[in-house]
Amino acid sequence: QIQLVQSGAEVKKPGASVKVSCKASGYTFTYYPMHWVRQAPGQRLEWMGWINAGNGDTKYSQKFQGRVTITRDTAASTVYMELGSVRSEDTAVYHCARADITTYGIDVWGQGTTVTVSS
Amino acid sequence: QTVVTQEPSLTVSPGGTVTLTCASSTGAVTTAYYPNWFQQKPGQAPRPLIYSTSNKHSWTPARFSGSLLGGKAALTLSGVQPEDEAEYYCLLYHGGAQPWVFGGGTKLTVL
Repeated sequence: QIQLVQSGAEVKKPGASVKVSCKASGYTFTYYPMHWVRQAPGQRLEWMGWINAGNGDTKYSQKFQGRVTITRDTAASTVYMELGSVRSEDTAVYHCARADITTYGIDVWGQGTTVTVSS
Repeated sequence: QTVVTQEPSLTVSPGGTVTLTCASSTGAVTTAYYPNWFQQKPGQAPRPLIYSTSNKHSWTPARFSGSLLGGKAALTLSGVQPEDEAEYYCLLYHGGAQPWVFGGGTKLTVL
């Protein structure tokens, strides 16, 4: 079945970088874009960016521009999200989510990765 | 900065009907915004309900429907069940420099 399995929880100090992975299975990886979405404790969902898994094109939220990088490894069917210069406000659960390239429908979510930023 | 606005909270009785809306600060929402709707319960990942305004996923209960209403995207629940109590989020496509924006979420209480 279609699955997105994310890497485990991370604890980082302020100023560090964090890289979260999202391994896809059960479908043709390059056919579907992947979003990254985060949710701080008790807060709304927040869109961070997405990648065309076929050609690697990316687009980021203005809020994270310059601090976030989304990449993919087609051989490993894995998408990565790296967030740099983290601060306490970046403490959140980070999700990957698969989208359909024609309908833009999001249909599968990763289980989420908790990132905690603390000195 | 683009803002997507939802009702912060709504209350509905079991068996009743309720409509949640999703507005964009850029103007009237159309099908070109590809509205997606998600249900989220505490401690869980969001569950997709509706995509491209009104299309249901195979697992979406029939009582959920999506539409455009008065320049907004709308999610209507007909015959509400107790298990529908949750937070509901919309997601709109704007393209350009800020392609996708989530709404602030609507906390639906079934009482």
